[in-house]
Amino acid sequence: KNEVEQSPQNLTAQEGEFITINCSYSVGISALHWLQQHPGGGIVSLFMLSSGKKKHGRLIATINIQEKHSSLHITASHPRDSAVYICAAKGPNTGNQFYFGTGTSLTVIP
Amino acid sequence: NAGVMQNPRHLVRRRGQEARLRCSPMKGHSHVYWYRQLPEEGLKFMVYLQKENIIDESGMPKERFSAEFPKEGPSILRIQQVVRGDSAAYFCASSAFGTVENQPQHFGDGTRLSIL
Repeated sequence: KNEVEQSPQNLTAQEGEFITINCSYSVGISALHWLQQHPGGGIVSLFMLSSGKKKHGRLIATINIQEKHSSLHITASHPRDSAVYICAAKGPNTGNQFYFGTGTSLTVIP
Repeated sequence: NAGVMQNPRHLVRRRGQEARLRCSPMKGHSHVYWYRQLPEEGLKFMVYLQKENIIDESGMPKERFSAEFPKEGPSILRIQQVVRGDSAAYFCASSAFGTVENQPQHFGDGTRLSIL
């Protein structure tokens, strides 16, 4: 079993839809990272959070420490949001490692 | 652009050759991390380095792989006697402070290594 599980694995949405990607983790957490990876491209850090909620433009990330769960929301989705979204968790007992989910592949159709 | 720079972007090697992957961290960053992404799999931690020191290499394969981050110049991930299973995307990330401080990591565009 992976330390970090994401759902769904694949997601197709119509432009303008509200999107939610979920991340559950089994390690005790000190930080959680949301990353975006475009096909054949590099990785961009979207958020790093350890509690509560963060917002940047149309992206919102929330985390519930008690439930060991985080969500990434995209409002008013756009085709340029199409990418793989990766959740990575780091705990006080995981040393220097982030544990990565396998990603959610999002396709937004015009 | 002061982002994390990795080169080459693509590297092709034959079995048995050596592969050298380079990573220049963001300006002002002294902490470097290497990750591997195998086809159809998630990212996996390999090694964490500070200048001239390997802090954590718990994710590195025991043989053929080595990493360094010299006082001057980029960090190097070296794979000796490459095999087909080494084909993957290798990502480097850097941060200003270590992971203890929960600083975000900034990623490079990766090196795609293909073994013929």
